[in-house]
Amino acid sequence: NAGVMQNPRHLVRRRGQEARLRCSPMKGHSHVYWYRQLPEEGLKFMVYLQKENIIDESGMPKERFSAEFPKEGPSILRIQQVVRGDSAAYFCASSPEYLQETQYFGPGTRLLVL
Amino acid sequence: AQKITQTQPGMFVQEKEAVTLDCTYDTSDPSYGLFWYKQPSSGEMIFLIYQGSYDQQNATEGRYSLNFQKARKSANLVISASQLGDSAMYFCAMSEESFGNEKLTFGTGTRLTIIP
Repeated sequence: NAGVMQNPRHLVRRRGQEARLRCSPMKGHSHVYWYRQLPEEGLKFMVYLQKENIIDESGMPKERFSAEFPKEGPSILRIQQVVRGDSAAYFCASSPEYLQETQYFGPGTRLLVL
Repeated sequence: AQKITQTQPGMFVQEKEAVTLDCTYDTSDPSYGLFWYKQPSSGEMIFLIYQGSYDQQNATEGRYSLNFQKARKSANLVISASQLGDSAMYFCAMSEESFGNEKLTFGTGTRLTIIP
């Protein structure tokens, strides 16, 4: 059973470009969480999604950031017009329907904005 | 709002000794979960142990145990017989059980270094 998969593992973008980060949850998991980790800090919650629904986006910046989890395919975290402050590690976690406290993390995507 | 506090930014421990990593929390929710994750230098987040707020017994997983003191709002991680491979960042986290949303709030972490 494959774990949570994230790609790319490393992403370099210039200021103003778009970044797309993908997350495939573990098989059978229908809940996806995105977290951001700035250098030397803990993880901060961004958004919680179920299939085709955003449940909680209270941690996501209001502008430039969006997330989706379509019926088919991976969850996508999209950052438009990236700025240097977006440089961070972005982690996705997934959990099953009935054991939501058990979140399994992907390896993360390290975004570097030049 | 929930808050997790880890007061030890870094610790150095001799190999084979036991380690206690401190974690205190603050919440008004009666029902919550407490977690510890390990983040080695490679960067992935590895789940170590979970404690539910209503669990009577302290959680244990191999060499890891969680010293849960509800009245003090503390959830310290104890690693017995430390090994060189235990060197990593350790994060304490908490979930709130509201409307089925189990988003985690993390502390700032403790960097543990095991000395041979």
